[in-house]
Amino acid sequence: QKEVEQNSGPLSVPEGAIASLNCTYSDRGSQSFFWYRQYSGKSPELIMSIYSNGDKEDGRFTAQLNKASQYVSLLIRDSQPSDSATYLCAVKAGGSYIPTFGRGTSLIVHP
Amino acid sequence: EPEVTQTPSHQVTQMGQEVILRCVPISNHLYFYWYRQILGQKVEFLVSFYNNEISEKSEIFDDQFSVERPDGSNFTLKIRSTKLEDSAMYFCASRHPGQLGKNIQYFGAGTRLSVL
Repeated sequence: QKEVEQNSGPLSVPEGAIASLNCTYSDRGSQSFFWYRQYSGKSPELIMSIYSNGDKEDGRFTAQLNKASQYVSLLIRDSQPSDSATYLCAVKAGGSYIPTFGRGTSLIVHP
Repeated sequence: EPEVTQTPSHQVTQMGQEVILRCVPISNHLYFYWYRQILGQKVEFLVSFYNNEISEKSEIFDDQFSVERPDGSNFTLKIRSTKLEDSAMYFCASRHPGQLGKNIQYFGAGTRLSVL
């Protein structure tokens, strides 16, 4: 059974702070990792993908992957109230095109 | 920017009725997916579709479910006899055969199915 675990939160940070969202996964064969943002009642929106160990930066977002520890994280710098949403971690194993989703972490950025 | 479109946005039906959820994937995408998300739960994979046939399906996708690509643009999910527990948000997603197997899927806005 492939598992993707996330703390459900809510994670509450002040505006301008760094928000750190974490995800662990059980399948060592996983090769692709995605972070989606989902506003309440809306569809998941892809914000980051990462495939190799290390950091990947895109604007205010940085994804970090550590395959040895089976851990992937998302950092959001200079958090804004508009970043308040649920962040879904999704992991794809090497032999499948189907990502397994975590339950998501609720992020609240307060002014 | 191209997007995946889904209709209707909200479907209300009586238990035991058939429903068809419709999706128009992004035009140059070749892989299509249905997911569902029960309120407050995680996104769950239902089925993937490529080259006019199902390529993968989950345990959720039982005989009550079927998918079809009736023409060159639409991708549909049919639930033959709806149950109360089918109430959920249903998302369609599509994927371009991308580079290096990066498998980036783009989601539609979803159809909220309410079974009464």
